[in-house]
This record gives sequence, structure tokens and C-alpha cells, in this order.
Amino acid sequence: DGGITQSPKYLFRKEGQNVTLSCEQNLNHDAMYWYRQDPGQGLRLIYYSQIVNDFQKGDIAEGYSVSREKKESFPLTVTSAQKNPTAFYLCASTSRETQYFGPGTRLLVL
Amino acid sequence: GENVEQHPSTLSVQEGDSAVIKCTYSDSASNYFPWYKQELGKRPQLIIDIRSNVGEKKDQRIAVTLNKTAKHFSLHITETQPEDSAVYFCAANGGSGAGSYQLTFGKGTKLSVIP
Repeated sequence: DGGITQSPKYLFRKEGQNVTLSCEQNLNHDAMYWYRQDPGQGLRLIYYSQIVNDFQKGDIAEGYSVSREKKESFPLTVTSAQKNPTAFYLCASTSRETQYFGPGTRLLVL
Repeated sequence: GENVEQHPSTLSVQEGDSAVIKCTYSDSASNYFPWYKQELGKRPQLIIDIRSNVGEKKDQRIAVTLNKTAKHFSLHITETQPEDSAVYFCAANGGSGAGSYQLTFGKGTKLSVIP
């Protein structure tokens, strides 16, 4: 788990603002994932990427965007179209089935 | 796609008692079933996993059982301790579109161990 980092730990968004969450891994994992966690809702998949320069929408992709320009990095942008962004965001990576999570970013709306 | 149901949503046990959390899945092609423990404000941590070619796996006080015919799997924690208090998530692979490595998670069980 120590090989996956997320920043910042807390992020405050103003209405109408786009914000970007960082996720970096040094585990040489091919696949990376973004999840959103709300109380009582478990982990819901936002986007995932299996190789560089390719990514797919998950179950709740609306209002979010991603890029995968490097194997180590998979940033998530929360756009102004996401009307209820307050949540705990978790990034994960995997080389096979086992997913390892980063420490998370808590996004709050001002 | 895969659907994972997890029960109960909350569970309270006395210290030293056993705890059991159950999950069902829908996709008969799923073959990997991990369990994660998440303490408050922290990341989920893998505690045990099982693949479809075995029916049971143990690691000290933790065990997982799998019934492929019935499509359900369970987490068993024996001799519970206060530090076992956390939210536990089950998951299954084989979600739609992402191949066999994508996980679908249950909604979690909040376990409280009462000293």
C-alpha cells in the first residue's frame, strides 16, 4: 500500500470550480482505478485504466474526467458538472486481481 | 454485470465471540473474492482472499468460506478483539467491461466489538 500515494489529503471545492485529485504509484502496476465512497454506499467505481492512454467509464463517471499519460499516474478531475462531489475518493492499482488502495482524498464543498 | 450483496450492514459482538459476515454474488464467472478491512478515515486493507478452486482458507483468527454452487462466501472472525472493530467489505471480480480484474464491492459491514 505504501507504493500508492494520493494528494491532497483534504480538498475544498468552490461551486463551479474544477478540482484535480492526484494518484501516483511506484508498484509498476498496469491497471489503476478511482472509487468514490459515501457513508453506507461502499465503493463505487468512477473510472479505470488498464494501460497508458486508455481508460473506461465505471458506474458513476458523470461529472468526472481522467487521464493516463504515464503508467505511474492517474489523476481524477471533479468537474463543475458533478453537483454532489462531497465524498472520500480512493485510488487503487493492481497487477492481477489484488487491488491495493491509496490513502484517499476527502473532498468537501465550500 | 456483477452484483454483490453483503449482510448484515451492522454487527455488534462481545469481545471473544465470533463474527460472521455473508456475501452473495451474481456472476457465475467470478473466481476471485477478497475481503477488505477499513478503519475510520483510513484506506481499505486486504485481509484475506479466496479463489474459486478452494472452498476455505484460514489465516490465524480469520477464515473465508466459498460455496460456488450457491454463489455465496463468508468471512469468519474468531476470538474477536476490540481492534477488529472496523468496516469490512467483500468483493468479487468479473465486473462488466474491465475483464476479470475489476472488483465489485458489497456495501460494507460495520463491526463493533464490545469489550
